[in-house]
Amino acid sequence: QKEVEQDPGPLSVPEGAIVSLNCTYSNSAFQYFMWYRQYSRKGPELLMYTYSSGNKEDGRFTAQVDKSSKYISLFIRDSQPSDSATYLCALTGTASKLTFGTGTRLQVML
Amino acid sequence: KAGVTQTPRYLIKTRGQQVTLSCSPISGHRSVSWYQQTPGQGLQFLFEYFSETQRNKGNFPGRFSGRQFSNSRSEMNVSTLELGDSALYLCASSLTGGIEGYTFGSGTRLTVV
Repeated sequence: QKEVEQDPGPLSVPEGAIVSLNCTYSNSAFQYFMWYRQYSRKGPELLMYTYSSGNKEDGRFTAQVDKSSKYISLFIRDSQPSDSATYLCALTGTASKLTFGTGTRLQVML
Repeated sequence: KAGVTQTPRYLIKTRGQQVTLSCSPISGHRSVSWYQQTPGQGLQFLFEYFSETQRNKGNFPGRFSGRQFSNSRSEMNVSTLELGDSALYLCASSLTGGIEGYTFGSGTRLTVV
C-alpha cells in the first residue's frame, strides 16, 4: 500500500464548476501538507501548503486537512480552462523530503 | 527573478552508459532536491543537498548519486543506465529546505534505449 493515495482521474468538469481533489495517507508522521499544480512539460508549481487541520483559503483555492481521518482536499471554485492540469498532493514530516500522490488530471471544459 | 534551471532538457542515452544532469537553483536558495517522475510511480524523492552536504536520501540504488557545489548548483549522476531509468528528473530548490516552498525546474527528460 502506498503512503499517499490519490485518484488519478481524469476528472472532467464544465467551466465554473467547483472541483474537489483528494488524497488519503497512512503515515501519522506527515505534518505538512501541500498542493502542487503541474502543466504539461513543466515542473510542479506550489499552490498551497498548510500545517494544521482545518481550512486555508487563497483566492479560488481552499485546502482542507483532516488529520484524524488522514484526508486532505483541495477545492477549486469557479474553475477555468486554465486550471486544466495535473494536481499533486505532497506530504512531509521532515520538510526536506516530500512524498507525493500520483496526481489527478483535471480537464475544465468550455 | 530567474527560476530553477535544469540542463539539458532532453537526453537520450544507451543502456549501460552514465549520465550527468545539472541544476541551477534560484539565487540565494541553499537547498536542492532531486525527484524522479514516471507515469507508474509518480514523483519519487532521490536526495536533498544543503550547503554541499547530502541531508536526506530516498530509496534508490547507489547508481544514483549527486553533489552540490559551493554556489549551490547541483549535479545528479546515474551510472550504468537501465531502461527503467527513463523518466523526467526534476530539481527543486528552496531557501532552507523547509516548507516555505520548493520551486521546481522544468526537468530533464531522460530516455534510455
